[in-house]
Amino acid sequence: GAVVSQHPSWVICKSGTSVKIECRSLDFQATTMFWYRQFPKQSLMLMATSNEGSKATYEQGVEKDKFLINHASLTLSTLTVTSAHPEDSSFYICSARDQTAGHFHEQYFGPGTRLTVT
Amino acid sequence: DQQVKQNSPSLSVQEGRISILNCDYTNSMFDYFLWYKKYPAEGPTFLISISSIKDKNEDGRFTVFLNKSAKHLSLHIVPSQPGDSAVYFCAASAGDTGNQFYFGTGTSLTVIP
Repeated sequence: GAVVSQHPSWVICKSGTSVKIECRSLDFQATTMFWYRQFPKQSLMLMATSNEGSKATYEQGVEKDKFLINHASLTLSTLTVTSAHPEDSSFYICSARDQTAGHFHEQYFGPGTRLTVT
Repeated sequence: DQQVKQNSPSLSVQEGRISILNCDYTNSMFDYFLWYKKYPAEGPTFLISISSIKDKNEDGRFTVFLNKSAKHLSLHIVPSQPGDSAVYFCAASAGDTGNQFYFGTGTSLTVIP
């Protein structure tokens, strides 16, 4: 199946600093990638939809100036958490849709990035 | 507002028996449903899906049933194996684009050897 990677897998940063998380589709092109956030024992919450070559679409309640998304190529999307605070500590997961016919509805998820802000 | 709900946070089943995981949704516009399996500290992996034009889809040991009138779907795993122990999320999307997936809160399945 399609493979999506994320880097880093785990990051600890100090409050007030910024952290960049990369999401790559390794063996397919993804015009659309998605960023999710998961709190312990809770559901995956969609934060934003990342579209190659255009601005990301953010879900209600997600601060676009705080969570900067850049979809620079068909295989790479980045999420930058700016001026991170302890409440931003969470598990961030990206996914990418394989545009190949027959896979349109399926999203392939990355392994996730655990962010801890101290 | 949780549009997709998994009311059982956990389930324990004996190896070899059937595991039944349930999912309810509220949005009648949902037309595509998926089940994902997730291990701790890993991303979800796609398991099986079903379109609203069907009421059953089977793939090996996994079968998903859809009851549109009840807005309910279930995942059956038979026979259950210890390696099936994980958190299972159901997800739903609406429309041809299927841009947004709504996830349930997950059910943690433990298969006891």
